Amino acid sequence: DTAVSQTPKYLVTQMGNDKSIKCEQNLGHDTMYWYKQDSKKFLKIMFSYNNKELIINETVPNRFSPKSPDKAHLNLHINSLELGDSAVYFCASSQWTGALRGGELFFGEGSRLTVL
Amino acid sequence: QQQVKQSPQSLIVQKGGISIINCAYENTAFDYFPWYQQFPGKGPALLIAIRPDVSEKKEGRFTISFNKSAKQFSLHIMDSQPGDSATYFCAASRSPGSGYSTLTFGKGTMLLVSP
Repeated sequence: DTAVSQTPKYLVTQMGNDKSIKCEQNLGHDTMYWYKQDSKKFLKIMFSYNNKELIINETVPNRFSPKSPDKAHLNLHINSLELGDSAVYFCASSQWTGALRGGELFFGEGSRLTVL
Repeated sequence: QQQVKQSPQSLIVQKGGISIINCAYENTAFDYFPWYQQFPGKGPALLIAIRPDVSEKKEGRFTISFNKSAKQFSLHIMDSQPGDSATYFCAASRSPGSGYSTLTFGKGTMLLVSP
C-alpha cells in the first residue's frame, strides 16, 4: 500500500499547455509539500501545506498553483508551461513536528514533466 | 546563497570500500542533519539523521560523523555494495521556535559502487 502516491508518473506536453499533478498520502500526516528536482538532481521546495493551509511558498511563479482539498491530498496545477518547467516534481508529507524538527519527510516516486 | 554545501558531486567506489560524502553548513542555528538516499526513478528516503549533541551516529554500515566547531558532517558507508549505488543528499534544518522551518538540501552526490 503506497504511502505517498502521485499521478501521473510521466507527462509530456507542449509549451503553453496547462497540466496538473495529483498527490495523496495515507500516512495520516498533516503537512504536505511539493519539491522540484531539476536535471542536476537539485531538490528545491516549492510549497508546503499544513492542515490545508499554505505555509510555504518559495517564490515560485504564479503559473504554479497548489491546492489542498484536505489533509491527505495536495495537487499542483501549472499554467502556460515553459521549457524550464521540465523537471521531476515530488510530493512529500510529514508530521507537523514543530516543522521538521526531527520529522521525517516521506516522498512520492515523482512525476517527470517534459515540456517540448 | 547555498546554505548546505555537499561534495563530491559524484563518487565511484570499489565493492567493499568505504564511501565518504561531506557536507558543510553555514547557519549555526541548524540542529537536525539527515541524509536521504534516492534510487533512480524513486523519491528520496531518509537514511540516517543526527543532532549536534552527539559527534557520531551509526546504523549498520552507515555512519554520520558530526563536527560542530567546523560546521561539517559526513556520511561514511562501510563495505560499500553495488546496491548502495544511488544519489545521496545531506540536509539541515533548525528548530523553528513558534514558527516553522524547512529542510535545506545539499546538491546531492551520485555514488556508484563497482562490482
